[in-house]
Amino acid sequence: EAAVTQSPRNKVTVTGGNVTLSCRQTNSHNYMYWYRQDTGHGLRLIHYSYGAGNLQIGDVPDGYKATRTTQEDFFLLLELASPSQTSLYFCASSDRGTGQLYFGEGSKLTVL
Amino acid sequence: QQKVQQSPESLIVPEGGMASLNCTFSDRNSQYFWWYRQHSGEGPKALMSIFSNGDKKEGRFTAHLNKASLHVSLHIKDSQPSDSALYFCADDTNAYKVIFGKGTHLHVLP
Repeated sequence: EAAVTQSPRNKVTVTGGNVTLSCRQTNSHNYMYWYRQDTGHGLRLIHYSYGAGNLQIGDVPDGYKATRTTQEDFFLLLELASPSQTSLYFCASSDRGTGQLYFGEGSKLTVL
Repeated sequence: QQKVQQSPESLIVPEGGMASLNCTFSDRNSQYFWWYRQHSGEGPKALMSIFSNGDKKEGRFTAHLNKASLHVSLHIKDSQPSDSALYFCADDTNAYKVIFGKGTHLHVLP
């Protein structure tokens, strides 16, 4: 079973704060994704990457940066966090051969 | 913009009953779909994919795709309380950008 690990699992910060969410996959997958999940909106794609050093913009990228440092590691950065970014964030990886996404357990972020 | 609409938002079925979840998509070029299931406190997990018109069965789960009517569905036979979860339909036709519906909450009552 493919493994995707996220940290931290819970984070509370204040408006204007700096947050980094981390994701590591041990599946040797090329593609990695960051989604946010909000009630009434389902899963929305923030950024994705198809390899180290690559970054692609998703559907809701405003206020977020991302960086893929290695094939295994993908980071989501919120440099000036706002209350609207309070959400549950999921990282996922995929083998584009099958298209199946493997999700982490989620990181709950609260911006006060 | 490509959209995926799921219905109903919430569904209650008795244990042992049949649960039917529906999904409509907007792009006539869409052809490859996944169903994901998310239990409370966990990340979504893939259930099954479908890309050919007709039915695909995996155990108690049957997915149905009708491209002409822009419709995909998931049917769960002999529903169990452990099937209670949030179910997502996802259009995986366009490489790298999977489009998710908003989900259906399934509650299976013992």
